[in-house]
Amino acid sequence: LAKTTQPISMDSYEGQEVNITCSHNNIATNDYITWYQQFPSQGPRFIIQGYKTKVTNEVASLFIPADRKSSTLSLPRVSLSDTAVYYCLVASSGTYKYIFGTGTRLKVLA
Amino acid sequence: NAGVMQNPRHLVRRRGQEARLRCSPMKGHSHVYWYRQLPEEGLKFMVYLQKENIIDESGMPKERFSAEFPKEGPSILRIQQVVRGDSAAYFCASSSTGEETQYFGPGTRLLVL
Repeated sequence: LAKTTQPISMDSYEGQEVNITCSHNNIATNDYITWYQQFPSQGPRFIIQGYKTKVTNEVASLFIPADRKSSTLSLPRVSLSDTAVYYCLVASSGTYKYIFGTGTRLKVLA
Repeated sequence: NAGVMQNPRHLVRRRGQEARLRCSPMKGHSHVYWYRQLPEEGLKFMVYLQKENIIDESGMPKERFSAEFPKEGPSILRIQQVVRGDSAAYFCASSSTGEETQYFGPGTRLLVL
């Protein structure tokens, strides 16, 4: 399983775009990149998943460069309610033993 | 479309008692996973179950912990003779197959006095 590295914390202001980058230098050919969001006292919530280039849904965008050694989760126009911990996971489609690091603690300020 | 359900949400036990945590997977999901999270840490995998089968329990402590997912009813994580170090949040996740995205429940917060 590829090891991931994320910033420990980030601060942003309401209405700004937030980009959280995850490094995964040892990503394997069959690995996907998945991001989860966790609010205090709640379980992780699936945000987005991708393999290469760009993926967008109603919540976020995921940018993956050609070498796939990193990925960037982009949250457009954050609000106070986006304050949470964001986890980047890298695993192949057959992997069920998810490995969560300490994630990135995003704090959105008014 | 109900998500993964866990109960109780909070559980207080005294040292030496038993804790039973329940998880009902999303409708249509037959694969269940249990994770444990200590304060300020990421989730740690404990066990993976399908109906009536334990597929991988490599993350479970060898003693006092057991898990089941019967043909009927929720998955149960059982902790016997709890100790203070068992205090944590326990999350259940489910997926439709063993290769699909896992969806997590709200967790059970166990406090051992």
